[in-house]
Amino acid sequence: ETGVTQTPRHLVMGMTNKKSLKCEQHLGHNAMYWYKQSAKKPLELMFVYSLEERVENNSVPSRFSPECPNSSHLFLHLHTLQPEDSALYLCASSQDQQRGGRNEQFFGPGTRLTVL
Amino acid sequence: AQSVSQHNHHVILSEAASLELGCNYSYGGTVNLFWYVQYPGQHLQLLLKYFSGDPLVKGIKGFEAEFIKSKFSFNLRKPSVQWSDTAEYFCAVILSGGYNKLIFGAGTRLAVHP
Repeated sequence: ETGVTQTPRHLVMGMTNKKSLKCEQHLGHNAMYWYKQSAKKPLELMFVYSLEERVENNSVPSRFSPECPNSSHLFLHLHTLQPEDSALYLCASSQDQQRGGRNEQFFGPGTRLTVL
Repeated sequence: AQSVSQHNHHVILSEAASLELGCNYSYGGTVNLFWYVQYPGQHLQLLLKYFSGDPLVKGIKGFEAEFIKSKFSFNLRKPSVQWSDTAEYFCAVILSGGYNKLIFGAGTRLAVHP
């Protein structure tokens, strides 16, 4: 049990669908992250939220839209995705270092996304 | 731009063999360093981390890593691997100061044969 949960674990969607990925952390952290893990590529940071404020957007296409309603929940809204967006999407949380945290990030199990 | 290089993409060992996985980063300032492991079908887990102090850090399951600042390296070692160490290993760096932007290496897949 990592303390970071993600739903759904698997998702298949068409290019015209709209879906959302959900992440919840039970660790009392104040920062949350979305990463993309594709085959044969390093994990790519997509978004960083600290105290519900987006502080990093790593040149991610607008078809990915994050939402952080509170420090425990993070969503990734998906619309008009492309087949190359198929990947494992990982959520992580940490205690923000600028507020005394020590940078260690805890990861969820990921959502395996397939875009047809 | 900052980057992390892992020299070996695939490593195959027999049980009881010694392991060393290379990791180099490109950044001249203060860094925090991590090794994460991803067992088949499981989530990323932290193996060990270095923030400051003794450059030889010990992690879970008998793993250790040595930070050599002059070489910008943070190699992972284990004296005797087990079949259960079969997994993918990721080196990662956070630049000290600023927000927690973890920069990952491409990963090394380790297969340990009985």
